[in-house]
Amino acid sequence: EAAVTQSPRSKVAVTGGKVTLSCHQTNNHDYMYWYRQDTGHGLRLIHYSYVADSTEKGDIPDGYKASRPSQENFSLILELASLSQTAVYFCASSDNTEVFFGKGTRLTVV
Amino acid sequence: GDSVTQTEGPVTVSESESLIINCTYSATSIAYPNLFWYVRYPGEGLQLLLKVITAGQKGSSRGFEATYNKETTSFHLQKASVQESDSAVYYCALADSGGSNAKLTFGKGTKLSVKS
Repeated sequence: EAAVTQSPRSKVAVTGGKVTLSCHQTNNHDYMYWYRQDTGHGLRLIHYSYVADSTEKGDIPDGYKASRPSQENFSLILELASLSQTAVYFCASSDNTEVFFGKGTRLTVV
Repeated sequence: GDSVTQTEGPVTVSESESLIINCTYSATSIAYPNLFWYVRYPGEGLQLLLKVITAGQKGSSRGFEATYNKETTSFHLQKASVQESDSAVYYCALADSGGSNAKLTFGKGTKLSVKS
């Protein structure tokens, strides 16, 4: 079964600190995505990648960097965390038929 | 850009009652987008519930149904008789292409609570 694993599942970070969210897939998919969800909003695309060592900006990339060191791993990096980045973050991978999501990471910036 | 609007939650229904969650879309990137319903059960990631890629067709899964209506640009989710285990958050979404590089646009989600 397709699997996308996110870590950590929950994190509290201080304003101005650096945060790295990790995602690992065992699906052998080329495409991976990072979305965020805020209360009152649907999931919004931050960054995505279609091949290792390459990332693309999504709809809301400001304040985020992404890294795809291998096909299996895709990280989201907040260099200077801000209060507005408190949200639930979802990683996903896709093949030609379906997008598979991780369970989400709840990030609270204080 | 593309957008999806769905029933504002939370929605509470009694077990064995019928359910409809409305979804309408606006697609500027593609004439006939692929349409999806995802579900997120407590503590889990989003799972695909059903999808329809052809206008006029109906998708179904786990007793849920949704029909792709291009005239009204709608994709409402229906179930004739809900169960307590259906309690979850439901997301309507569209994809801007049919391939593996498709990017999804989501509605805000509708939280459903089914009471016994």
